[in-house]
Amino acid sequence: GESVGLHLPTLSVQEGDNSIINCAYSNSASDYFIWYKQESGKGPQFIIDIRSNMDKRQGQRVTVLLNKTVKHLSLQIAATQPGDSAVYFCAESLHGGYNKLIFGAGTRLAVHP
Amino acid sequence: SAVISQKPSRDICQRGTSLTIQCQVDSQVTMMFWYRQQPGQSLTLIATANQGSEATYESGFVIDKFPISRPNLTFSTLTVSNMSPEDSSIYLCSVAGDLTEAFFGQGTRLTVV
Repeated sequence: GESVGLHLPTLSVQEGDNSIINCAYSNSASDYFIWYKQESGKGPQFIIDIRSNMDKRQGQRVTVLLNKTVKHLSLQIAATQPGDSAVYFCAESLHGGYNKLIFGAGTRLAVHP
Repeated sequence: SAVISQKPSRDICQRGTSLTIQCQVDSQVTMMFWYRQQPGQSLTLIATANQGSEATYESGFVIDKFPISRPNLTFSTLTVSNMSPEDSSIYLCSVAGDLTEAFFGQGTRLTVV
């Protein structure tokens, strides 16, 4: 069967380390951003979101940073676990969360024990 | 959060035939979208499904190839018409609404032979 993220860049980390996944978004007018996690054979799963009036937001073990000056988004995962292995996508939107999303290319995170 | 059911979860189809994919949500939602994820790639928006009217298609996607219906606020269908091997992808339904981020179904994995 096909593999999600087969041709995507890969970030390899050791279990317990912190991971940082980066994303450059395209539209300076975008005002809402989401990080998704996609495991093989599944649909994208919401991780965390951030609006353009913020530059940082924290969740459980995850932090999203937004730099509007350079149109850059990052996802930090603390104490990475094997269950974090997946493909991670950033997405941007205009007019809040209930509009169409434009997805970034994606990064595959491989966590090694 | 909304629970999204897609049917079928996967299918293998002959070229030249058509497949209709169903998306059922467990609650009324404002917005419904259809995305395509080609093997090893990110997600690309096909169209926004509008309740009671014609869908809004993104550049590169046309109604004759991807007819969409949305008869109510909880259900939508996407048809992939006159299929070719290039249509082999994961097709994903997504929903969003006021006070809720965009959720995705598990996707329909289509292989055209």
